[in-house]
This record gives sequence, structure tokens and C-alpha cells, in this order.
Amino acid sequence: RKEVEQDPGPFNVPEGATVAFNCTYSNSASQSFFWYRQDCRKEPKLLMSVYSSGNEDGRFTAQLNRASQYISLLIRDSKLSDSATYLCVPSTGTASKLTFGTGTRLQVTL
Amino acid sequence: DGGITQSPKYLFRKEGQNVTLSCEQNLNHDAMYWYRQDPGQGLRLIYYSQIVNDFQKGDIAEGYSVSREKKESFPLTVTSAQKNPTAFYLCASSIDPTESSYEQYFGPGTRLTVT
Repeated sequence: RKEVEQDPGPFNVPEGATVAFNCTYSNSASQSFFWYRQDCRKEPKLLMSVYSSGNEDGRFTAQLNRASQYISLLIRDSKLSDSATYLCVPSTGTASKLTFGTGTRLQVTL
Repeated sequence: DGGITQSPKYLFRKEGQNVTLSCEQNLNHDAMYWYRQDPGQGLRLIYYSQIVNDFQKGDIAEGYSVSREKKESFPLTVTSAQKNPTAFYLCASSIDPTESSYEQYFGPGTRLTVT
């Protein structure tokens, strides 16, 4: 089983839609979780950190289910500028141990 | 402006040559990291450093070397021993390497092509 599993997509959604991505992780010792977004041929940029059951920041909501070992990212009212690849990143105790998923690609269209 | 800089953005080398990628940060972060990203794959950790004059191998260190003589700088050398050096190389830093809650921030990356 991969350490981090994400549906690669692409998820094609119209502007204004709500879209959700799931991510499963295999290491039950994972303590913190991050969502990064990565635009084509650019560096990953931190979108959201999740330390407890979830986090909300504007149109973005992350929810963590430790029992089932999955984390989700919900994007409401999608914008064209949300088009990117979203990386799920669990952390396992030290900042040196981030495990990057391969990402889910989102394409928002008019 | 605080941030992480990597240079150059694009780098072309002939097979058999060593090449050094630069990474500088002015965020006063203790920890620095090097990753490579290949198409369709997640980021893989090459080396990391939690403090000046100390560094550890990551998951794919073979064929690479690093140094950490200054807090601000963490250069990566891709040696001729690296079998598949063509990749997108990303440098990152974080405030405190002992806290899992501290996020990593990335530089813009260097795209290395070896022919």
C-alpha cells in the first residue's frame, strides 16, 4: 500500500461548483497534515495545515478522520484560479518526515 | 522580502559533469531540505539539514552531496554518479525541525536537464 494515496484526477468542474478530494495515508503515527497546491511547473505552496479534526479557511475546508486514516479537502465556489494540483502531505513526528502524495489535479472551467 | 531563492531556474549539463544547485533563505529558518520531483511522482527527499554543519540523508541520497556551512545556504551537488539526474529540484525550509507542526516552504525550483 502506498504511504499516501490520492485520486490523480483530473477533476473537471464548472466555476462556482463545490469539489472534494480525499486522501488516505498508511502511517497511523502521522500527527499533522498539510495541503499544498502546485501549479504547473511551479513549486508547491502551502494551502492549509490540519492538526486536529479539521480546519477551515474561507472557501477551503479540510477534515481529518484519524480512525479511517483519511483527510479530505473541500473547495466551495470554485474559481478559475483554483485550477492546480493539490498535494496531500502527512507529517510523522519531525518536520523532516513529510510524505508527499502525487496529487489530485483540478481544472475549473467557465 | 523574506523567502527562498534558487538559482538558476533552468540548468543544462552534459552527462559526466558535476553540477551545483544553489538554495538561499532569509527566513531565519533552522531546517533546510532538498527534494526532487519527476513527472507523475510525488516529491522525494534527497537530503536535509536541521542545523548548521549537520545534515542527513533522505530517501534518495545516492549520487548527491550537500553542505551547510551557513544557516542561510544549503547547496546541492548532483554528481556524475547520479544515474538519472534530469528532474525538477526543490529546496525547502522550516522554522523548527523538531516540531511536526511547522510547515515547509519551498523555493521556485531548478529544472535540471542532463544530456
